[in-house]
Amino acid sequence: AQSVTQPDIHITVSEGASLELRCNYSYGATPYLFWYVQSPGQGLQLLLKYFSGDTLVQGIKGFEAEFKRSQSSFNLRKPSVHWSDAAEYFCAVVTTSGTYKYIFGTGTRLKVLA
Amino acid sequence: ETGVTQSPTHLIKTRGQQVTLRCSSQSGHNTVSWYQQALGQGPQFIFQYYREEENGRGNFPPRFSGLQFPNYSSELNVNALELDDSALYLCASSLSPEVVDTEAFFGQGTRLTVV
Repeated sequence: AQSVTQPDIHITVSEGASLELRCNYSYGATPYLFWYVQSPGQGLQLLLKYFSGDTLVQGIKGFEAEFKRSQSSFNLRKPSVHWSDAAEYFCAVVTTSGTYKYIFGTGTRLKVLA
Repeated sequence: ETGVTQSPTHLIKTRGQQVTLRCSSQSGHNTVSWYQQALGQGPQFIFQYYREEENGRGNFPPRFSGLQFPNYSSELNVNALELDDSALYLCASSLSPEVVDTEAFFGQGTRLTVV
């Protein structure tokens, strides 16, 4: 069965520090992978997506993610975190058998220290 | 701004009651999906509607039902509410049922509390 694991429930970093959020997926075929961000009281905003091609994907707000098939991972990175990045981050895979739907991880809540 | 709006933003209902949540999709988006996000969890797929017909369903009981209208609006109905139905409900609209081809845009959600 398809699944997404985000091993870190909470992460705290200082403003200006680098960030890496981990995501591991389980999917039999070529995965279509996404990272979304959710601010308090808000819906989900797409940060970036990977369908095929270059395994390093650039997104909005200075985020990037790298697809590593050998490790079944799609980790999200940012070189320098801003206080406004504090939010919850969700990794997702889209299933392509039957109805196309997102399978989300449980999320990682990011806290940024001033 | 995703162009997808949901109403109401917050709702409190009593166990056993029925509730209707509404979503207004982007113009031209003929596909809408609904997700339930319990506290501390990622969103879980409830069902998808395409051109006013149900196009797939997740692991949710029949008391969760939906409607999609030609004017790009849709509804999620939940009957016989249970305490565990308390969650944030998100709708996502897209141009096509094949999400991999087009981005899905999420609304801000409706926070339902069942007491």
